[in-house]
Amino acid sequence: SQQGEEDPQALSIQEGENATMNCSYKTSINNLQWYRQNSGRGLVHLILIRSNEREKHSGRLRVTLDTSKKSSSLLITASRAADTASYFCATPMVTTGNQFYFGTGTSLTVIP
Amino acid sequence: DAGVIQSPRHEVTEMGQEVTLRCKPISGHNSLFWYRQTMMRGLELLIYFNNNVPIDDSGMPEDRFSAKMPNASFSTLKIQPSEPRDSAVYFCASSLGSLTEQYFGPGTRLTVT
Repeated sequence: SQQGEEDPQALSIQEGENATMNCSYKTSINNLQWYRQNSGRGLVHLILIRSNEREKHSGRLRVTLDTSKKSSSLLITASRAADTASYFCATPMVTTGNQFYFGTGTSLTVIP
Repeated sequence: DAGVIQSPRHEVTEMGQEVTLRCKPISGHNSLFWYRQTMMRGLELLIYFNNNVPIDDSGMPEDRFSAKMPNASFSTLKIQPSEPRDSAVYFCASSLGSLTEQYFGPGTRLTVT
C-alpha cells in the first residue's frame, strides 16, 4: 500500500479561510515533501521538511512534522481561489533503495 | 531553464501498438523518475535512474514496459504491446539527488483504445 496517505481526501473552504491537510506515513523517512498539482498539470514542489525538523514556513504555507506519530500537516493560511488544486505528501524511503512514494492527495477547493 | 520536457503531450493509440514516451530532464540533474497517474491507483513510481543507471524498476507493471536512459539528457519509456489498461498520464521528473525536491514535466496523456 502507499507509504503516504493524506486526509481529508477532499476539502472545500471559502476564500480567506485556512486549509489544513494531514499526511501519515509508515516507515522511517529522511525527509517529507509536499507538492501541489493543478488540474491537468504536473506536480509542483512546495516545501521539504527534514526528519530532524519539526516546523517549517514558506510564505502562506506552514508544515509540521511529528516523527513519533509518523505524520505531517500542511497549513495554507488566508487561502485564495488560486490555491484550488490537489496536494500530495511525498516520502522518500531510504530503507528500500530510495523509493519515492506519493500519497493519495487532498483535493482542495477554495470558493471565491 | 525550460524545465522538464516531455513528448508527446497526448498519445492515442490502438491496443497492441508500441508506444514510446520521451523525457528531457533539467540540465545538471542526476536523478530521473517515471511515474504513472490514474484515478484508481493515484501516482505510482515506475522506475528511477541515478546517473543514467536504473536503480529501482520494481514499480514497472510488467515486461511490456521498459525504460532507458542512454545519456544524462534523455530518457524513454516504452510500452510494447500497449493495452487499454495502460491508459493514464505518465510523468517524468528530475532532481539533483534522489531524495531532494523533484521537478515534474507536464505529462503525457496516453489513451489506448
